[in-house]
Amino acid sequence: DSGVTQTPKHLITATGQRVTLRCSPRSGDLSVYWYQQSLDQGLQFLIQYYNGEERAKGNILERFSAQQFPDLHSELNLSSLELGDSALYFCASSSRLAWASSSYNEQFFGPGTRLTVL
Amino acid sequence: SQQGEEDPQALSIQEGENATMNCSYKTSINNLQWYRQNSGRGLVHLILIRSNEREKHSGRLRVTLDTSKKSSSLLITASRAADTASYFCATDAADSGNTPLVFGKGTRLSVIA
Repeated sequence: DSGVTQTPKHLITATGQRVTLRCSPRSGDLSVYWYQQSLDQGLQFLIQYYNGEERAKGNILERFSAQQFPDLHSELNLSSLELGDSALYFCASSSRLAWASSSYNEQFFGPGTRLTVL
Repeated sequence: SQQGEEDPQALSIQEGENATMNCSYKTSINNLQWYRQNSGRGLVHLILIRSNEREKHSGRLRVTLDTSKKSSSLLITASRAADTASYFCATDAADSGNTPLVFGKGTRLSVIA
C-alpha cells in the first residue's frame, strides 16, 4: 500500500459527460501528479500541483482541469468526454521538491481509476 | 522532448534466469528511476540512480547508468514468477525548470515457472 488513495476505482460513463476523479496523497506529501495511461500512449503526465499551486503541465487537454485543495487532496475533472478518454488515471505524490536542484524524488502511485467512456 | 525508451518491449524468461532491461534517453538528467507495474495496478518505485552514480544495488536488482551513452539498464537476478510485471524507466531532465518526470513505454517481463 503506497498510502495514496484514489476514488472511484472504476467509472463508466457516456460520451459528452463530465466526471471528477479524486486523489488523497500520502500524509505529508505536498506534490501531487496526475497521469493518464492508455494502451497505445503509455503513461502520460498530465499535471502537477505543489502545495496548492500548479507546478508543471504536460499533455493535458483543455477539456481536463485539476486542482489541489488546502488539505492537499486533488481532483481531476474531465469534461465533454470522448471515447478516446477511456484509460487508467493515476495520481502520485512525493515529498517536497528539491527546489534548488529541480530534482524529483520518487513518486508514490495510487491504485488508479479506470475510466470507460461508452 | 526527452523520453526514456525501454528495450526490449517484451521479455519472456524462465524462473531462475536473469532479466535485463535497457532504457535510453535523450538529454542530460538529474536522476533516473525505475518503476514496476503489475497489470492494471499503480506503479511502484524500485530504485533511483543519480547522474553522478554508475551502479546501484537493491536486493536482486542492479541498475547501471552510463551518462555518456545516455542509457541505463535494470538487471533482475534469479527471477521469480512474481517478478512478472511491466518495468518503466523515468528520467528527470537537468536544468529543465518545471519539466516533470518522463516515463518510457515500459518492458513487459514474463517469468515462466
